[in-house]
Amino acid sequence: GAVVSQHPSRVICKSGTSVKIECRSLDFQATTMFWYRQFPKQSLMLMATSNEGSKATYEQGVEKDKFLINHASLTLSTLTVTSAHPEDSSFYICSARGHVPAYQETQYFGPGTRLLVL
Amino acid sequence: QKEVEQNSGPLSVPEGAIASLNCTYSDRVSQSFFWYRQYSGKSPELIMSIYSNGDKEDGRFTAQLNKASQYVSLLIRDSQPSDSATYLCAVNRSGGSNYKLTFGKGTLLTVNP
Repeated sequence: GAVVSQHPSRVICKSGTSVKIECRSLDFQATTMFWYRQFPKQSLMLMATSNEGSKATYEQGVEKDKFLINHASLTLSTLTVTSAHPEDSSFYICSARGHVPAYQETQYFGPGTRLLVL
Repeated sequence: QKEVEQNSGPLSVPEGAIASLNCTYSDRVSQSFFWYRQYSGKSPELIMSIYSNGDKEDGRFTAQLNKASQYVSLLIRDSQPSDSATYLCAVNRSGGSNYKLTFGKGTLLTVNP
């Protein structure tokens, strides 16, 4: 149980384009999903927290107009990197926690999306 | 003071030995503690969670929590080369309805054959 998927696993795009990343909880309903970014040899940095049906809460320093998050259902959240630039190249990872006791305390991570902006 | 601190390592142990990974946290009201394993280029994978003082064992892994000392550790018995990875300590700072995790920077473990 507690499987989270992400799509795509890898994306290469040109500077100025927008990229959408999907995060799905496959076998449980996710009350909350989290989006992280990880640069090489650095730790996870939380970007935002999203609850189903409400606006995402962004961490300090994360531009909400650049990183659009939609959490339309209990199993799907999307992150759109708008007008991507080379400095946005990173490993983007989502995680999800459920609303049943077995999954409530723990965050389960997706496999991540590696973004390269040329 | 950093919120969650780990020795970055690398920690190098021979195959079959016990690897001991340590983590301290600064927020006394923290309630939930997690160890994740992250292989190079991959996303974190949950190893253990612990909520109460004492030890919790799962196979070759034992998590230890001491809330008075604000200290949590992970022991890996009979270490295998496949255990070589970065181990991340994560703390749920406030519990309740806020389930954000604060991560340490991770300890790189190398198990030598």
